Amino acid sequence: AQSVTQLGSHVSVSEGALVLLRCNYSSSVPPYLFWYVQYPNQGLQLLLKYTSAATLVKGINGFEAEFKKSETSFHLTKPSAHMSDAAEYFCAVISDTGRRALTFGSGTRLQVQP
Amino acid sequence: DGGITQSPKYLFRKEGQNVTLSCEQNLNHDAMYWYRQDPGQGLRLIYYSQIVNDFQKGDIAEGYSVSREKKESFPLTVTSAQKNPTAFYLCASSAGMASGNTIYFGEGSWLTVV
Repeated sequence: AQSVTQLGSHVSVSEGALVLLRCNYSSSVPPYLFWYVQYPNQGLQLLLKYTSAATLVKGINGFEAEFKKSETSFHLTKPSAHMSDAAEYFCAVISDTGRRALTFGSGTRLQVQP
Repeated sequence: DGGITQSPKYLFRKEGQNVTLSCEQNLNHDAMYWYRQDPGQGLRLIYYSQIVNDFQKGDIAEGYSVSREKKESFPLTVTSAQKNPTAFYLCASSAGMASGNTIYFGEGSWLTVV
């Protein structure tokens, strides 16, 4: 079975500050990992994904994430927060064995203070 | 435009009624999914389908039913057996069940029991 844990249901940063959203996964086989963003009352939009090609993955809107197998982590970062980054962020995992559907973490709501 | 269309956006159900949420995609994707979203719980998988005329239960299938008669359509019926159906429902699709494929989401449907 695979699972995802997102540490911190709410994160607040100042505009211009570093954004760090934490994601740890559990998987008995090599995982594929995804970060999605959700704005209020909307669907999910893909930010980036890890599919074993490179451990440092760059996504849209200046976000990036690094896959660390030894730490079973896939934390999302952005050097400088913008007001428009305020949203909910979801980490998700899938693997080549078992059920071929994403398993999601519980989400982290990011607030950006002016 | 290519994408995933969910309808209606808002739906109200009386106790004891069945309701059907529509999901249509014109991306020529083989795989389709239904997720339920409750505040603070992330997304939970209801049903998924790898190919036409085939579907599998997810984690919370009780009280729901689906059909996949056409590649582009994957409607979800919320039956009266679902005791707590008030939630945000998200439909998604992907090019196939290969784990590296991106799963794309529709804009979601709100279901409220009145």
